Amino acid sequence: DVKVTQSSRYLVKRTGEKVFLECVQDMDHENMFWYRQDPGLGLRLIYFSYDVKMKEKGDIPEGYSVSREKKERFSLILESASTNQTSMYLCASSFPLTGDSPLHFGNGTRLTVT
Amino acid sequence: QKEVEQNSGPLSVPEGAIASLNCTYSDRGSQSFFWYRQYSGKSPELIMFIYSNGDKEDGRFTAQLNKASQYVSLLIRDSQPSDSATYLCAVNSGGYQKVTFGTGTKLQVIP
Repeated sequence: DVKVTQSSRYLVKRTGEKVFLECVQDMDHENMFWYRQDPGLGLRLIYFSYDVKMKEKGDIPEGYSVSREKKERFSLILESASTNQTSMYLCASSFPLTGDSPLHFGNGTRLTVT
Repeated sequence: QKEVEQNSGPLSVPEGAIASLNCTYSDRGSQSFFWYRQYSGKSPELIMFIYSNGDKEDGRFTAQLNKASQYVSLLIRDSQPSDSATYLCAVNSGGYQKVTFGTGTKLQVIP
């Protein structure tokens, strides 16, 4: 089974802090994704990566950046956390490069910014 | 803006009945369609995917796709209380799997 592991299940951070969310997958997937999920808004794509050191903006990239230095690891960075970034963050991976492979999700990180 | 629309529910069905979940999408170029199930407090998990017009069956689940009408549906036969969850419709309209999700339909199966 594919395993996508997010480093933290719950995080509480203060406004203005730099926040790192880590995600690791063990199936050699090319594609990795970061989504946030909010009630009534559903899952929204923040960033995705289809190869090491490659990244593409999703629908809501403002206030976020990403890093993919190794194939198995995809990090989401909140440069200066704000209260409107309080959300559930979901990492996902998929294989292959074409658009017909399902997403495998991690367990999520619930981030609260106070 | 590519959109995927779902009725938020809740959709309540009695145990043993057929649950019908619907989804419409705006991009006629969409090619891949997915149904995910999400239990409260958990992450989404794939139930089914469909690419071609028509029906695709997997156990108690049937996905239906009609590209001309731009809708995809999920039927759950013999619904069980364990099927109670939010069901997310997802559509891939382009390369590199830039998938757009609907907001989900909450299903409640009443024992």
